[in-house]
Amino acid sequence: GIQVEQSPPDLILQEGANSTLRCNFSDSVNNLQWFHQNPWGQLINLFYIPSGTKQNGRLSATTVATERYSLLYISSSQTTDSGVYFCAVRTYNTDKLIFGTGTRLQVFP
Amino acid sequence: SAVISQKPSRDICQRGTSLTIQCQVDSQVTMMFWYRQQPGQSLTLIATANQGSEATYESGFVIDKFPISRPNLTFSTLTVSNMSPEDSSIYLCSAKGLAGEHQETQYFGPGTRLLVL
Repeated sequence: GIQVEQSPPDLILQEGANSTLRCNFSDSVNNLQWFHQNPWGQLINLFYIPSGTKQNGRLSATTVATERYSLLYISSSQTTDSGVYFCAVRTYNTDKLIFGTGTRLQVFP
Repeated sequence: SAVISQKPSRDICQRGTSLTIQCQVDSQVTMMFWYRQQPGQSLTLIATANQGSEATYESGFVIDKFPISRPNLTFSTLTVSNMSPEDSSIYLCSAKGLAGEHQETQYFGPGTRLLVL
């Protein structure tokens, strides 16, 4: 099956810093989503982005489907950005959303 | 977007017992799923809940251990049977297939935190 690897596995930032999280996948996909899991365990939808670029406030994401990767940018990070960020992908001819390994982000004041 | 609720939100159970988790979506969806997240790990798909028929299980998960029901387009249950401490995890309900522009986006419930002693 498809492999979904995220990097870095852990990231520690000071408030105000910028960061880039990467998601690599091993097969063609027709769906890619980014999620933020907050410290209480809730999964929050950030982006549905099978290709192209989207922005939402301080967050933006880019997926280059032909090269099988996606990037999540966080600018001017805040302590509330702390948690685990997951990318998840769905390949053609399946309804299964497969999760990546995750990046644990800690933002300190 | 879809709003998904789960009950209970958390529970502490004794080994050998069973727990049924309920999932309710606020609108009709085509697909519902159940995931497990073990401590410190990513999410793993347990099964696809099929309306009116048996669920489709992923490798490593069996119906006797995780029976699933989906009687209609907005409701599903997952039972964790004959529990052991290794079943301690967060169990998440998920859905996709909303009408309109969001039909390919998958949404998740708040999860059920299960601790088995």
